[in-house]
Amino acid sequence: ETGVTQTPRHLVMGMTNKKSLKCEQHLGHNAMYWYKQSAKKPLELMFVYNFKEQTENNSVPSRFSPECPNSSHLFLHLHTLQPEDSALYLCASSHGGGSPYEQYFGPGTRLTVT
Amino acid sequence: GQQLNQSPQSMFIQEGEDVSMNCTSSSIFNTWLWYKQDPGEGPVLLIALYKAGELTSNGRLTAQFGITRKDSFLNISASIPSDVGIYFCAGPTGNQFYFGTGTSLTVIP
Repeated sequence: ETGVTQTPRHLVMGMTNKKSLKCEQHLGHNAMYWYKQSAKKPLELMFVYNFKEQTENNSVPSRFSPECPNSSHLFLHLHTLQPEDSALYLCASSHGGGSPYEQYFGPGTRLTVT
Repeated sequence: GQQLNQSPQSMFIQEGEDVSMNCTSSSIFNTWLWYKQDPGEGPVLLIALYKAGELTSNGRLTAQFGITRKDSFLNISASIPSDVGIYFCAGPTGNQFYFGTGTSLTVIP
């Protein structure tokens, strides 16, 4: 497996469910990111992890909870989501070192909240 | 937050034509990146620019870092059907990373 992988690719969940998105990078990078991509809006950076430490949380609601157990894996735990949270959730990685240059993206998880 | 405006929003061109698009910001950036996104996939990095005035090519793609550091340009020469997709500019500021509004390209065979 190479690059950045994300599972599942598609997820439908009710507002009372709890689910998790998984991201794994095989590039030897030290920084990982979660983005939200909604229709007709630019990609929005949600969370940044550098060397497993969260360095950015862009005012994301607490119903989104990230976890980074090591430099290769990143999770996004979801609970009590709202329909407006339906979007494509993208994971990315980069060499980090405090500078998020040249990010490499996974294919995304298409999330639908019903 | 920061906004990166891209123009045009969409383009419909004939195969073989050249394409130009640009990205502007109200603030200075020290790095510009260009990505392409196919439907149902994540963005793929095309070109990274690190110096004002820099011109960098990747095959048929050429990107320029504007001299004011507030804009960047992407050109695609001799377009082919697989160039179809959405092109995004992006730039980092500290630990923040901003993406443009995107230019949707359709290539008509």
